[in-house]
Amino acid sequence: DQQVKQNSPSLSVQEGRISILNCDYTNSMFDYFLWYKKYPAEGPTFLISISSIKDKNEDGRFTVFLNKSAKHLSLHIVPSQPGDSAVYFCAATPGSRFGNEKLTFGTGTRLTIIP
Amino acid sequence: DVKVTQSSRYLVKRTGEKVFLECVQDMDHENMFWYRQDPGLGLRLIYFSYDVKMKEKGDIPEGYSVSREKKERFSLILESASTNQTSMYLCASSPNGQGYNSPLHFGNGTRLTVT
Repeated sequence: DQQVKQNSPSLSVQEGRISILNCDYTNSMFDYFLWYKKYPAEGPTFLISISSIKDKNEDGRFTVFLNKSAKHLSLHIVPSQPGDSAVYFCAATPGSRFGNEKLTFGTGTRLTIIP
Repeated sequence: DVKVTQSSRYLVKRTGEKVFLECVQDMDHENMFWYRQDPGLGLRLIYFSYDVKMKEKGDIPEGYSVSREKKERFSLILESASTNQTSMYLCASSPNGQGYNSPLHFGNGTRLTVT
């Protein structure tokens, strides 16, 4: 049972345009959501996160939006740059005051930025 | 910067062999994790550890065991390798759990092929 779903395995976007990566989840206990970025031959690196008490978090060119009622989050990259070409994983956790709840990852979306 | 080092980038082993994957982190993190990454399945948690000599099962522990004798080192053991364990293995560490305030730091991965 895939609790975190990224329904688009791949996405191609022209350089300078907006990239929108989507993620849906089914577990209503999830309270924290994260995006990781992975280049080939490297491990994933943390990109941005959002708590369920917010509906938007912004960090430079990257913005994550959370719609709790729809159980949907999205990552917006604007403007897109060639270095953004990577696989993007969303992840979710119920969280706890001890911070030791397991992460559940999505299947990933391969983003290709076309120069 | 946190450095998580996995001892091998590529490994080729035969069915039935005992396989050790080693991981070392240099930031005195409490928590360490082993994931496997497969196409279409994302990252799946195999085992994790919150302290020396402590281990907990993740989502897919069958066929694997782990060892954490020192804080900085976390080993994944395939007792009798099988072809369905051919995968990319990723080690990660974090100071506090794996939630919103404590993102994971990943190594570059070990691509294991079992023939």
